[in-house]
Amino acid sequence: AQSVSQHNHHVILSEAASLELGCNYSYGGTVNLFWYVQYPGQHLQLLLKYFSGDPLVKGIKGFEAEFIKSKFSFNLRKPSVQWSDTAEYFCAVNFKAAGNKLTFGGGTRVLVKP
Amino acid sequence: GAVVSQHPSWVICKSGTSVKIECRSLDFQATTMFWYRQFPKQSLMLMATSNEGSKATYEQGVEKDKFLINHASLTLSTLTVTSAHPEDSSFYICSASSRPQQTQYFGPGTRLLVL
Repeated sequence: AQSVSQHNHHVILSEAASLELGCNYSYGGTVNLFWYVQYPGQHLQLLLKYFSGDPLVKGIKGFEAEFIKSKFSFNLRKPSVQWSDTAEYFCAVNFKAAGNKLTFGGGTRVLVKP
Repeated sequence: GAVVSQHPSWVICKSGTSVKIECRSLDFQATTMFWYRQFPKQSLMLMATSNEGSKATYEQGVEKDKFLINHASLTLSTLTVTSAHPEDSSFYICSASSRPQQTQYFGPGTRLLVL
């Protein structure tokens, strides 16, 4: 079965530090890739997505992600985090062979200390 | 754009009663809506996929007679938890997309507590 894994369950870092969250997915042919963020008490919001083209995708709030097909990875990065980036981050993959469904990773809770 | 709402945002009910949760796409037509369940400190688990005007497709292990889904229009889907029990207490989230395999936009979720 298709699966998505996020390597870190919790990340704690200070403001201005760089952030990288890992996301790997099982082989499943053609994929669409997403990162969603869930701020405390709020609903899931789309950070960025990759469907095709340039594998380096820029999203909102200074986030970017790189699709490396050979590694089945779609890691999320931000060069300098802010306290307001404290949230839970979810990687999600649409395996086209599975139709419209999204498969979510387990999520990574990020705490940015002021 | 791409706003999805859910109602109610939270509900408390007695065991054995039924609860209906609404999911609406406010500014786009959603050909497909999805229902997820999120347990505390866990990720989202897809329960079912519904396409407007057709029967929902349920994930393995999800009881279709317990979780009734209706997608009667391009802007509204409902999830009814029938004969709710305490183990049904959870956070239920819907999402909607306007085209197959395109971006899903998520609602704010409904927290259900069954006493």
